Amino acid sequence: TQLLEQSPQFLSIQEGENLTVYCNSSSVFSSLQWYRQEPGEGPVLLVTVVTGGEVKKLKRLTFQFGDARKDSSLHITAAQTGDTGLYLCAGLSNSGYALNFGKGTSLLVTP
Amino acid sequence: GAGVSQSPRYKVAKRGQDVALRCDPISGHVSLFWYQQALGQGPEFLTYFQNEAQLDKSGLPSDRFFAERPEGSVSTLKIQRTQQEDSAVYLCASSPRRIQGEAFFGQGTRLTVV
Repeated sequence: TQLLEQSPQFLSIQEGENLTVYCNSSSVFSSLQWYRQEPGEGPVLLVTVVTGGEVKKLKRLTFQFGDARKDSSLHITAAQTGDTGLYLCAGLSNSGYALNFGKGTSLLVTP
Repeated sequence: GAGVSQSPRYKVAKRGQDVALRCDPISGHVSLFWYQQALGQGPEFLTYFQNEAQLDKSGLPSDRFFAERPEGSVSTLKIQRTQQEDSAVYLCASSPRRIQGEAFFGQGTRLTVV
């Protein structure tokens, strides 16, 4: 099994602060996806990164895929309370269809 | 419908009871996945259907778990003789492609076994 480790596990910050969460593995992935999951809901895809070194921006969110395609990071600028949720990274398994998920980073943004 | 629909949203079962969880994927989506999410964990893969064919059931925890998608659309995950360790959120996801691209998840069914 290709394990994905996410850190930190929990993060509590105030509105307006910046933060970075990490997703690391010893395995190489053909692509990595980031999802956000709110309580009582299913995960919603934020972005897919495919190329080593790739950087993608989604408004205040910046996603980076490591050069070796083993790790990824998510940086949020000027966090808002609406950013609260569980951030999951997922990599495509060797099967080519199933996703291996990390345990997630639970983010709480307070006013 | 507009998204993946799962029912029931919540299910409380007595230990030993059988349960059936339903997933209505997005119309036309070829691929359908079931995942299990324990409290405080990320989703874990259970099984994968491509149309009506179950191509991978390697993630099913035991032979008490059974999934079907007889007509290539609606899927049912059945758990026989439920046990406390089966308590989790069961997520269904569908994808328009045969390989995992963007997966659209339902809201999940929260199963509590008492």
